[in-house]
Amino acid sequence: NAGVTQTPKFQVLKTGQSMTLQCAQDMNHEYMSWYRQDPGMGLRLIHYSVGAGITDQGEVPNGYNVSRSTTEDFPLRLLSAAPSQTSVYFCASSRTGGETQYFGPGTRLLVL
Amino acid sequence: AQSVTQLGSHVSVSEGALVLLRCNYSSSVPPYLFWYVQYPNQGLQLLLKYTTGATLVKGINGFEAEFKKSETSFHLTKPSAHMSDAAEYFCAVSEASGGSYIPTFGRGTSLIVHP
Repeated sequence: NAGVTQTPKFQVLKTGQSMTLQCAQDMNHEYMSWYRQDPGMGLRLIHYSVGAGITDQGEVPNGYNVSRSTTEDFPLRLLSAAPSQTSVYFCASSRTGGETQYFGPGTRLLVL
Repeated sequence: AQSVTQLGSHVSVSEGALVLLRCNYSSSVPPYLFWYVQYPNQGLQLLLKYTTGATLVKGINGFEAEFKKSETSFHLTKPSAHMSDAAEYFCAVSEASGGSYIPTFGRGTSLIVHP
């Protein structure tokens, strides 16, 4: 099993550009989520999904979109990148939100 | 609504000394509690968790944590620190809300181990 995979590992964007961060899991987990990690701020929840076709906003959703068309994939879209979105992004999955979260290796995003 | 407080953004210990990382939570119902560890340039991985049953939970690498309901705490301890324990540690709580469990993470504590 590959677990949770994220692509790309590193990305540089210019302000105003859009991009999609990919996340996939092969554990048949229903719950998937996106976090951003910034120094001193810990992990902040961006969006989450409790199953295919169901998504909801977390703590910091502005500027990001998600969709969940399959159980395996949960892409995160940046609509118009801003320097404030420079961060490390982690995708996680679990059977349910109350169980152990399995994290991907992260995507480092730099917005100039 | 649930929240997690980790006391101390940085904790410094000498190799061989006791490690104590503090976590307090607020929750309106009995929650599930977790500790995760993050090594540099990696994702988080589970150290240990409490769901039900015995309140003293043992995890990987010699760590353990005790759920104290009366104190709403879930502190992480290790009797003797090793250099390889240097990492970021996150406490997380998950409680039922509207039929779903949504985890909340603390801000993390960086453990520094001196030779």
